[in-house]
Amino acid sequence: DAGITQSPRHKVTETGTPVTLRCHQTENHRYMYWYRQDPGHGLRLIHYSYGVKDTDKGEVSDGYSVSRSKTEDFLLTLESATSSQTSVYFCAISDGGTRGNYGYTFGSGTRLTVV
Amino acid sequence: AQSVSQHNHHVILSEAASLELGCNYSYGGTVNLFWYVQYPGQHLQLLLKYFSGDPLVKGIKGFEAEFIKSKFSFNLRKPSVQWSDTAEYFCAAYSTGGFKTIFGAGTRLFVKA
Repeated sequence: DAGITQSPRHKVTETGTPVTLRCHQTENHRYMYWYRQDPGHGLRLIHYSYGVKDTDKGEVSDGYSVSRSKTEDFLLTLESATSSQTSVYFCAISDGGTRGNYGYTFGSGTRLTVV
Repeated sequence: AQSVSQHNHHVILSEAASLELGCNYSYGGTVNLFWYVQYPGQHLQLLLKYFSGDPLVKGIKGFEAEFIKSKFSFNLRKPSVQWSDTAEYFCAAYSTGGFKTIFGAGTRLFVKA
C-alpha cells in the first residue's frame, strides 16, 4: 500500500551493532505498530504508538526501543542486535476511531538478518 | 491472558474443494475480529472484519467468516478454493478499549491445481 513504507527492505548486520528500522506513513493515522513475524509464531507485537511521543511495550519488547517524534514516522531500534532478532519486521497503521481498530494496513516488511 | 488460537497450521486442498479454517479467541468483553491473508513474499492484507451485527461477514475474494459468540470462534470459509488462494491466513482479535491486536500463529494453505 502506498500509504505506508518501510526502510530498508533488507538488511544484514553483525551481532552487537545497533540497527534502526523506519516506518513512514502518509495516512495521518494515530496508531502505529511494530510486529515481528517468525515461523510458528505468527505476528508478535514489539511496540506500539498511540500518538506522537506516546509509546508502549508489546509482548516481545526486550532488546528493542521505539521513537515517534512526528505522526508520520515510527522508528524501531535494536539496541545491540542478536541472532535471535533475525526476523521479518512489519509496521502497521490504524486510524482507530470509536471502535478502536478498524483493521491494520501493513507495510511491505523489512527482512533483517543478524550474523 | 488474551490469545488467539488457530487450529490448523497447514492445510492442503485441491482446487474447488471447500475451505474452513478455525479460529478461537480468549478475550472477554467486546472484541473486533479480523482475518488477514499473506500471499507468498508479500505483506498481510485485510480479508474481512467483524465488529457487530450480522455474525456472518463477507469479505473479498469470496471469503466469509462466522462469529459464534458462545464458542468464542470466528471461522473462515470459502465454498470453492482456487490455486491463487495459496497463502498464509491469520486470525486476529482486538479488545475494544485497548490499543493492540493479537494475532494467531497462522495457517498455511496450499491449493493443488
